Amino acid sequence: DAKTTQPTSMDCAEGRAANLPCNHSTISGNEYVYWYRQIHSQGPQYIIHGLKNNETNEMASLIITEDRKSSTLILPHATLRDTAVYYCIVRVSWYNNNDMRFGAGTRLTVKP
Amino acid sequence: DSGVTQTPKHLITATGQRVTLRCSPRSGDLSVYWYQQSLDQGLQFLIQYYNGEERAKGNILERFSAQQFPDLHSELNLSSLELGDSALYFCASSANTPGLAGGSQETQYFGPGTRLLVL
Repeated sequence: DAKTTQPTSMDCAEGRAANLPCNHSTISGNEYVYWYRQIHSQGPQYIIHGLKNNETNEMASLIITEDRKSSTLILPHATLRDTAVYYCIVRVSWYNNNDMRFGAGTRLTVKP
Repeated sequence: DSGVTQTPKHLITATGQRVTLRCSPRSGDLSVYWYQQSLDQGLQFLIQYYNGEERAKGNILERFSAQQFPDLHSELNLSSLELGDSALYFCASSANTPGLAGGSQETQYFGPGTRLLVL
């Protein structure tokens, strides 16, 4: 799986958009980009995934650059409950690789 | 609520003992994964089962073993426990429907975890 690089920590004001970047310059054509978050010691929560098109769901938007070497997770109106560690993971289909490798992630702190 | 359940939530035991952690995947999901998260450590993949068969192994110790039953629930057995085995243990499941591929099939949904404390 391609390696990912994320900032160690970020702050965001409550009500503002939180933009979390992720670099995955060695991503290959069949690797998806997944985002998860972990609030304190809870189980990681799936947020969104994409292959090459931008994606949006009720939680967030995922913007993937045209060359697919980086992506940005956008939380449009951050709340205090969005304070968590956010993980960006790139992964091929389970037929080729079977484990999801979590790095250190970005610790997002939403401030009042 | 991810739909994945894990029991027990907390477990306190002594060194040298053996424990069993249980995971029920989301309805219809065929794959179950086990992860370990030690204090201030990242999530480490331990093992994956698909439809009852072991599919992949990660950093799983020989003292640890797992299985997936016909009803697709899974158990992680930890034996000869050491202080360093104290951690959060998470289970995840994904669909992996035969004949289908793609991101949604691979998406793993995690349970709330079991916190193991070895004294």
